[in-house]
Amino acid sequence: DARVTQTPRDKVTEMGQEVTMRCQPILGHNTVFWYRQTMMQGLELLAYFRNRAPLDDSGMPKDRFSAEMPDATLATLKIQPSEPRDSAVYFCASGFDAGELFFGEGSRLTVL
Amino acid sequence: GQSLEQPSEVTAVEGAIVQINCTYQTSGFYGLSWYQQHDGGAPTFLSYNALDGLEETGRFSSFLSRSDSYGYLLLQELQMKDSASYFCASPGTASKLTFGTGTRLQVTL
Repeated sequence: DARVTQTPRDKVTEMGQEVTMRCQPILGHNTVFWYRQTMMQGLELLAYFRNRAPLDDSGMPKDRFSAEMPDATLATLKIQPSEPRDSAVYFCASGFDAGELFFGEGSRLTVL
Repeated sequence: GQSLEQPSEVTAVEGAIVQINCTYQTSGFYGLSWYQQHDGGAPTFLSYNALDGLEETGRFSSFLSRSDSYGYLLLQELQMKDSASYFCASPGTASKLTFGTGTRLQVTL
């Protein structure tokens, strides 16, 4: 049963620490999205890739966030340094263009 | 850019019908999708409307009117398990999928 896999599921860290979240998209999908969800902001698009090429990362704070897709089986989202306001659930999703997207279970980040 | 507005909360009784609206403003429009998200879970795809009209999938239907920049999700024969958040979403230029503000549906007995 194909699914999007995200790690870690839960992460608690201290302010200033580096956080890396990983996503394995469904094999064959050509687009990968990173979203952040908080109660206040809903589902906020951070970055997305098509055929591994970054198309838009305008939703990310550039000074601390970076998103990469080193190969077709791995997408990463890195925060350095992390801040308490980064506390949220981070979702990765994959699909064909922007048709039906399949979401991972999310990475819940808490920055103290 | 894209913006999609939804009511924040809707309450309905089990067995009833409920409609969740979505109005959008987009720079390029390529259709409207709907997703369901239970508390603590991930969003799951429900439907996609590329053209005007009604799409039916079991108890759920989705409607789109491009001339009115408006769509809705219709849930029939509501069940307690339908209590969740519902999001409309629209792909813009280059498949950039933006989500609406979300509607929390509470189904009561």
